[in-house]
Amino acid sequence: GAGVSQSPRYKVAKRGQDVALRCDPISGHVSLFWYQQALGQGPEFLTYFQNEAQLDKSGLPSDRFFAERPEGSVSTLKIQRTQQEDSAVYLCASTTSWETQYFGPGTRLLVL
Amino acid sequence: TQLLEQSPQFLSIQEGENLTVYCNSSSVFSSLQWYRQEPGEGPVLLVTVVTGGEVKKLKRLTFQFGDARKDSSLHITAAQPGDTGLYLCAGAGQAGTALIFGKGTTLSVSS
Repeated sequence: GAGVSQSPRYKVAKRGQDVALRCDPISGHVSLFWYQQALGQGPEFLTYFQNEAQLDKSGLPSDRFFAERPEGSVSTLKIQRTQQEDSAVYLCASTTSWETQYFGPGTRLLVL
Repeated sequence: TQLLEQSPQFLSIQEGENLTVYCNSSSVFSSLQWYRQEPGEGPVLLVTVVTGGEVKKLKRLTFQFGDARKDSSLHITAAQPGDTGLYLCAGAGQAGTALIFGKGTTLSVSS
């Protein structure tokens, strides 16, 4: 079966531009997590969905960050008015067991 | 706030050497996981340890969970260049909560 996929793999945005990052989880996985990973650091939690419900968004760094999962499958992380400090790798993970998360390859965002 | 401290942050060794990476916290976790991440890829799960004092072996890798479930270690025997990568430990708390990751250990094994 296919793993978690993310698109685009790379995104270069001009400061102030809006971006949308997509995550296709493993089919049947109820839970979906978004993480932000700075260069050389461990991933940091952004938000968590169970089916279509966003149960925890405490890690979103500002109100410019918005995530949705309207049908309980594909999820989109949107960043409005991007800033240079938003440059990072954005990882998506899905799971049926809350302990064993399967990660996608990430989207590398560079804001110029 | 739960934090996981990993050490060392960087490790550069020769092929054939042994090494140990440590993951420590003041908090108790339900389980600890170890991931390996290669450049341009997402983290890949190596092992999950659940029981205090548990030891798991995966070929040349040995993982241990502390008795109090606050710390863990990863020991690699006879390291090979293919072991090069970023090793991350992650703690799991309550169900439905996100993993807490350490900052990672960047391992470089040269032949």
